[in-house]
Amino acid sequence: KAGVTQTPRYLIKTRGQQVTLSCSPISGHRSVSWYQQTPGQGLQFLFEYFSETQRNKGNFPGRFSGRQFSNSRSEMNVSTLELGDSALYLCASSSSGGRISTDTQYFGPGTRLTVL
Amino acid sequence: QQQVKQSPQSLIVQKGGISIINCAYENTAFDYFPWYQQFPGKGPALLIAIRPDVSEKKEGRFTISFNKSAKQFSLHIMDSQPGDSATYFCAASGGGSYIPTFGRGTSLIVHP
Repeated sequence: KAGVTQTPRYLIKTRGQQVTLSCSPISGHRSVSWYQQTPGQGLQFLFEYFSETQRNKGNFPGRFSGRQFSNSRSEMNVSTLELGDSALYLCASSSSGGRISTDTQYFGPGTRLTVL
Repeated sequence: QQQVKQSPQSLIVQKGGISIINCAYENTAFDYFPWYQQFPGKGPALLIAIRPDVSEKKEGRFTISFNKSAKQFSLHIMDSQPGDSATYFCAASGGGSYIPTFGRGTSLIVHP
């Protein structure tokens, strides 16, 4: 099976702009989660989508939003970019339908966002 | 509030040595403790995981030690190799929170 793919791999934006990141999960996986990775904070959970519905949300401002399509592909949007949004954004998929704690998260390679 | 504390932040080990990374958690409802390994330019990948009903799990050169009473768990990499150089994340999930909470990561460098 193909792994999780993310596009684009690199992005450079300026403050105030908005950005959309895309994630295609492993075939058959219906749960897609997004994480922000920074050197100081590690991996921080943004939100999780399952069957086109947001099931969980982390502690991020409303500028961060997402959605999931019927084919399980997901997009993440960040509006009014700030310098502090510079990070590696990771998408992970899992087969969880029943919210099982032992489900493995399969990560994509990430999108490196730089905000100037 | 950081629910999973990981140390050290960085670790340098000689080839053949033992690498030890420690994590501590606060939520006693956690019931699954995975470790993820991340190479540069790649996303994290599951390395090894443990449930709290056992005190140790070994897979090849990688061992997780788990101390439920102390709410701590650690990753031991025996006979560390330069190819083990990566960032390692501990995580915990369970108790209604199936989304894993990650530690801040440990950058491991193994010198040849």
